[in-house]
Amino acid sequence: AQSVTQPDIHITVSEGASLELRCNYSYGATPYLFWYVQSPGQGLQLLLKYFSGDTLVQGIKGFEAEFKRSQSSFNLRKPSVHWSDAAEYFCAVGGNGGSQGNLIFGKGTKLSVKP
Amino acid sequence: SQTIHQWPATLVQPVGSPLSLECTVEGTSNPNLYWYRQAAGRGLQLLFYSVGIGQISSEVPQNLSASRPQDRQFILSSKKLLLSDSGFYLCAWSRFSGANVLTFGAGSRLTVL
Repeated sequence: AQSVTQPDIHITVSEGASLELRCNYSYGATPYLFWYVQSPGQGLQLLLKYFSGDTLVQGIKGFEAEFKRSQSSFNLRKPSVHWSDAAEYFCAVGGNGGSQGNLIFGKGTKLSVKP
Repeated sequence: SQTIHQWPATLVQPVGSPLSLECTVEGTSNPNLYWYRQAAGRGLQLLFYSVGIGQISSEVPQNLSASRPQDRQFILSSKKLLLSDSGFYLCAWSRFSGANVLTFGAGSRLTVL
């Protein structure tokens, strides 16, 4: 079955510290992978995506993610967290086009940032 | 550029009342359209998706229905709301072909009392 697991429900980091949010997926075909961010009461904003090619992808707001096929992982990283990064982060996996492209989301990781 | 609008932003309804949430997309044609529900601690659940006018696919059996009367309009409805329908409803669109990069609306918060 296709699924996305985000093992950490809630993470707290200090401002300026590095961050890594974990994401593991199960998908039968070549996956397209995404990270979205959601501020409270808002919709989701795309941070970055991986379709093919270089397994290290850069996104907005200084985030990056690395696709590791052997580990079925797509972890999100940021070298130095800012207070404005406090939000909920969702990993998603999908395929190519039509109904196969419907995204499957993880349950999210809530990030809190300590001053 | 493309934009997506959802309304109302907030809605409080009694149990048994009807529901209509509307979503429209501007700046593109023939988009794929989606309704997701987000409940606390449960992530995003895909409710309906549509690849064209009048074409609706339902992902889960439930008290809700969806319609697409126009190319860029997607409506989520219920005839009689249940307490369990409370949640945050998100509309999204993607291009018709290729990888589905979803763009989300700002969401509609529904509270059923």
